[in-house]
Amino acid sequence: DVKVTQSSRYLVKRTGEKVFLECVQDMDHENMFWYRQDPGLGLRLIYFSYDVKMKEKGDIPEGYSVSREKKERFSLILESASTNQTSMYLCASQGDRVREQYFGPGTRLTVT
Amino acid sequence: DQQVKQNSPSLSVQEGRISILNCDYTNSMFDYFLWYKKYPAEGPTFLISISSIKDKNEDGRFTVFLNKSAKHLSLHIVPSQPGDSAVYFCAARGTGTYKYIFGTGTRLKVLA
Repeated sequence: DVKVTQSSRYLVKRTGEKVFLECVQDMDHENMFWYRQDPGLGLRLIYFSYDVKMKEKGDIPEGYSVSREKKERFSLILESASTNQTSMYLCASQGDRVREQYFGPGTRLTVT
Repeated sequence: DQQVKQNSPSLSVQEGRISILNCDYTNSMFDYFLWYKKYPAEGPTFLISISSIKDKNEDGRFTVFLNKSAKHLSLHIVPSQPGDSAVYFCAARGTGTYKYIFGTGTRLKVLA
């Protein structure tokens, strides 16, 4: 079974703080993704990575950056958290030979 | 512009009856479609998929139908069970990409 884990289930941060969200997958998947889920907006892609040290912007990259130093780990960074970044953040991974993405449990981030 | 639309934000169905969840898309180049189920405070779990070369795929109680001319897919759940109560997302991707575009989700409630 594919396992995707995220460092925190719930996180509360203050406006202006730097926030790190970490994601680890154990299936040697090449591709990893960060989404945010908001009511009425579905899942929106922030960034994805198709290889170590490679990244590509998704649909809503503003205010975020990512890091992928190792194949199994993909980090999402909020350089200066703002209240409009309060959301559910979901990490996913996908192998080159499969068509499905596998999701982690999500991190509910609240920025106050 | 939303390329993948789920126009019904919610649906209630009696236990034992059929649930039909709908999804419309605008891009005729989409070649693969997924359905995910999401419980509160959990990540989405993959349910069923369909390739654009097929018009039906079945897995137990779940069947997905694809109508390419109408750019429409639907997920049928028969019989519906209370444990099926969740938010359902459809997702679509174009040829040669790992990026999926997700719909906004439909909240299904199965009444006992």
